Amino acid sequence: DSGVTQTPKHLITATGQRVTLRCSPRSGDLSVYWYQQSLDQGLQFLIQYYNGEERAKGNILERFSAQQFPDLHSELNLSSLELGDSALYFCASSLVTDTQYFGPGTRLTVL
Amino acid sequence: GENVEQHPSTLSVQEGDSAVIKCTYSDSASNYFPWYKQELGKGPQLIIDIRSNVGEKKDQRIAVTLNKTAKHFSLHITETQPEDSAVYFCAASMGTASKLTFGTGTRLQVTL
Repeated sequence: DSGVTQTPKHLITATGQRVTLRCSPRSGDLSVYWYQQSLDQGLQFLIQYYNGEERAKGNILERFSAQQFPDLHSELNLSSLELGDSALYFCASSLVTDTQYFGPGTRLTVL
Repeated sequence: GENVEQHPSTLSVQEGDSAVIKCTYSDSASNYFPWYKQELGKGPQLIIDIRSNVGEKKDQRIAVTLNKTAKHFSLHITETQPEDSAVYFCAASMGTASKLTFGTGTRLQVTL
């Protein structure tokens, strides 16, 4: 158990809908990272927050957004969902070092 | 940006044999190289990492080597066991609180 929690574990929704994925980092970790894992793209970095502020952006679509709250938990919002958004979404956290610990992921299925 | 290549994509070894997975990276500014193990239905689990000021690191049956000149790093697993069967990912980052760029993964199967 890495100490990073993610909810929900599974999410099934329809095209065009909007969903919110939630992540709680390890106690004391200030950075939260979101990654997408799909069969064709592998593990891809989406976005990073550090102590409530956006720190870095990767291959994140404009339909996706995220935020980190004062209690350091983070939410990833996915809107106008398409079939191709079906994937595993992982959250990772780190303190000030480079070591990232991953959560168990949320499996999103868009029908 | 950084690009990480990983080989082989699949690897089958007999129990007790050694397994080696190799990765190359493109950006000489990368200085942190972790390895993750991912079992079916789970998130990536950090198994070992190495920083650019170190050439080799070992933790029981697992070792990682880094060749900064060649921009190449490898994972070595000795005395493989069936529970080592999983997908292994290498990654690279440019240090503290930086994103990870992952390789494409190696599916390791340890047969009895």
